[in-house]
Amino acid sequence: DSGVTQTPKHLITATGQRVTLRCSPRSGDLSVYWYQQSLDQGLQFLIQYYNGEERAKGNILERFSAQQFPDLHSELNLSSLELGDSALYFCASSVNLEGYGANVLTFGAGSRLTVL
Amino acid sequence: DQQVKQNSPSLSVQEGRISILNCDYTNSMFDYFLWYKKYPAEGPTFLISISSIKDKNEDGRFTVFLNKSAKHLSLHIVPSQPGDSAVYFCAASAMYNDMRFGAGTRLTVKP
Repeated sequence: DSGVTQTPKHLITATGQRVTLRCSPRSGDLSVYWYQQSLDQGLQFLIQYYNGEERAKGNILERFSAQQFPDLHSELNLSSLELGDSALYFCASSVNLEGYGANVLTFGAGSRLTVL
Repeated sequence: DQQVKQNSPSLSVQEGRISILNCDYTNSMFDYFLWYKKYPAEGPTFLISISSIKDKNEDGRFTVFLNKSAKHLSLHIVPSQPGDSAVYFCAASAMYNDMRFGAGTRLTVKP
């Protein structure tokens, strides 16, 4: 158990639908990152939050949105789903304190989304 | 944007021999580099890292080498063991910023 909790583990839905993926970071970690891994692809960076605020944005589609709540958990919302959105979605967290230096990410086990 | 590249999708080595996994990056602002290991049905786990002020970091059987002028890093595993069979991701970040990953290299260590 890495300490990063992702729910649900598996999700099957239809095109056009909307889903929400949830992530609880490791205790004490302030940053949350979301990554997408499509079949045989690498980890595509989507978005990073630090202590409730958006810190960096990657290749995140406009149909996707995320937020980090005051208790530091994060949600990734995927809407108007398409077949190509089927992927593993990973959440990771890190301490990422200012002045701490570079950070090591701790990953959750992922949420597997299947769009039919 | 492919700021971190792992050009070898797979690598197969014999148990006891050396495994060398390679990674190239394009962003000169990256100052911290990491390797993660991923088993099926699990999230990636941190393996070893190196700061841009160093050119080598060693941890047991694992050594990471950094060549800043070539924007290249490599992971050496010696000796390789069957339990090392996994997908290895190279990652890079600039201070406090997001972390970018390569596409991964699937290592198979044959007994």
